[in-house]
Amino acid sequence: GAVVSQHPSRVICKSGTSVKIECRSLDFQATTMFWYRQFPKKSLMLMATSNEGSKATYEQGVEKDKFLINHASLTLSTLTVTSAHPEDSSFYICSASPRVPPSVDGYTFGSGTRLTVV
Amino acid sequence: LAKTTQPISMDSYEGQEVNITCSHNNIATNDYITWYQQFPSQGPRFIIQGYKTKVTNEVASLFIPADRKSSTLSLPRVSLSDTAVYYCLVGDPHGSGNTGKLIFGQGTTLQVKP
Repeated sequence: GAVVSQHPSRVICKSGTSVKIECRSLDFQATTMFWYRQFPKKSLMLMATSNEGSKATYEQGVEKDKFLINHASLTLSTLTVTSAHPEDSSFYICSASPRVPPSVDGYTFGSGTRLTVV
Repeated sequence: LAKTTQPISMDSYEGQEVNITCSHNNIATNDYITWYQQFPSQGPRFIIQGYKTKVTNEVASLFIPADRKSSTLSLPRVSLSDTAVYYCLVGDPHGSGNTGKLIFGQGTTLQVKP
């Protein structure tokens, strides 16, 4: 089946530094990937849609300069949290679908990245 | 995507059948109902999808009444490893307006006790 790999699984960084999270589709090509963040005991919140070869589409309230998304190839999307602050500490999850357009039952999610900013 | 409403939490014991109901009063004609499962510190995982009546796979069953305004996920003989959050989503997977975005509701936290 479709596999999405996310790296790193955990990262601790100092305030003011930037952190890059990678999302790879291992056995399929994904023109579209999605990034979510999840706070403890809360649901997933969609941050942005990552489009291969073009700019990402951000959800309302998500700072595009804060959360830089690059989708340079059909198998890799990256999320960079710039100038991280403790309030950016969260669980970040990516997802992708091998289907075009993506089908609501065809999504595969990465295992998530636990970001802690100290 | 149509808005969904689920119970925030449920408790059960090992070996019991668990039924989680989701309300989606504004479901559109072309919408399907999909359930995802999420374990702590992991990404969600697809469980089952249906359009009407009943769907069954190796993991669960999905019951959808004729008016499709609600659906029930049924987990037979749960074990401790079924403790997770279960999300109900509604949307048209084939529509021309399908942006592919999945918008998650609050989900139902199922706690299975020994």
